[in-house]
Amino acid sequence: QKEVEQDPGPLSVPEGAIVSLNCTYSNSAFQYFMWYRQYSRKGPELLMYTYSSGNKEDGRFTAQVDKSSKYISLFIRDSQPSDSATYLCAMWDYKLSFGAGTTVTVRA
Amino acid sequence: GAVVSQHPSRVICKSGTSVKIECRSLDFQATTMFWYRQFPKQSLMLMATSNEGSKATYEQGVEKDKFLINHASLTLSTLTVTSAHPEDSSFYICSAREGGAEQYFGPGTRLTVT
Repeated sequence: QKEVEQDPGPLSVPEGAIVSLNCTYSNSAFQYFMWYRQYSRKGPELLMYTYSSGNKEDGRFTAQVDKSSKYISLFIRDSQPSDSATYLCAMWDYKLSFGAGTTVTVRA
Repeated sequence: GAVVSQHPSRVICKSGTSVKIECRSLDFQATTMFWYRQFPKQSLMLMATSNEGSKATYEQGVEKDKFLINHASLTLSTLTVTSAHPEDSSFYICSAREGGAEQYFGPGTRLTVT
């Protein structure tokens, strides 16, 4: 079993829809939880960074962490074609462990 | 802030030659830098972790004599792929951390070995 599980998709949604992404994990030692966005042939870009269970909002992005269920989510509201990318969840216990990444396409 | 650069962005080399890739943190001092490799449609695979002034720690299965890492200063780390072969062709990405858990990634270097 991988430490971090993420459905690779692909996920295709119409413009304006809510994109819902999630990851599960097995390592209770993970302390920090992050979401990265990676465009094709580019390095990952840090989108959200959370520590505790609960919600964190930043513009159209909301990150949720449920440590009791070992489950994290990322929601993108009012999705735009420019949001089309691969989204990677990552978790840290002195080094980052990545999910497989979910490829998202937002159709105009 | 938190910008990491990589150079070159693309490199093509002949089999048997060596290639050096530079990673720089532009606006912060990176206590730790990381090197990853990414194959098409796959996630990032950590190759090694380096701290300024000390030897890199390599992940299991990564040949340290083939992938030489030097972290000469708090803003610069280099990865040298020695005696490159076509199977070393990949996307190499570095990242840097100032002290907390957040890691900032460079734009990546696409290496093609012919």
